[in-house]
Amino acid sequence: AQKITQTQPGMFVQEKEAVTLDCTYDTSDQSYGLFWYKQPSSGEMIFLIYQGSYDEQNATEGRYSLNFQKARKSANLVISASQLGDSAMYFCAMREEITQGGSEKLVFGKGTKLTVNP
Amino acid sequence: ETGVTQTPRHLVMGMTNKKSLKCEQHLGHNAMYWYKQSAKKPLELMFVYSLEERVENNSVPSRFSPECPNSSHLFLHLHTLQPEDSALYLCASSQGVLREGPYEQYFGPGTRLTVT
Repeated sequence: AQKITQTQPGMFVQEKEAVTLDCTYDTSDQSYGLFWYKQPSSGEMIFLIYQGSYDEQNATEGRYSLNFQKARKSANLVISASQLGDSAMYFCAMREEITQGGSEKLVFGKGTKLTVNP
Repeated sequence: ETGVTQTPRHLVMGMTNKKSLKCEQHLGHNAMYWYKQSAKKPLELMFVYSLEERVENNSVPSRFSPECPNSSHLFLHLHTLQPEDSALYLCASSQGVLREGPYEQYFGPGTRLTVT
């Protein structure tokens, strides 16, 4: 079963406007973490923002904020004042524990391609 | 050099070739990862190494063989690949081992592999 769902294959936004990228997740864990990554055309995955399941406030990092609705199991990314350089693929991911070695891994959604228009 | 580096950035190989992808992290992290990103598919985790021990093999075919000689280096050895193995291969690292988070993963630029 898909654990991270991003329902928007592509999104368009005008420069300087705000945009919301959707992410829903499925987990039975009480403690979990959610990440958003940006992947420009160059291919590198860039960490944007993190939300822990026990964090009482929505995470914010500069122009990025996370609209975390725990009961709905959604963790939408909000980008304010969009810039042309924001055009990229955006991936939502959830942290899962690997029992062996006490390590962890990320499970990614399919991504949303954001295009910022001038 | 800082962050996570990967070489080569691009690789074209025939199905009978043997090649290796290299990843190096300069962040002092304890965990390293290989991911495969194919067109129109989610990022797929392949392998996880924690403190140089493989802790996850996500049902990857044996034609992909990882190696982690130390906590800073990770290799992916490739042999007798198939055309469907053509993809972007991303390496990542994180603090990983301890349970205190968030421990985001830092990714390298990837190796774009084409199998002919």
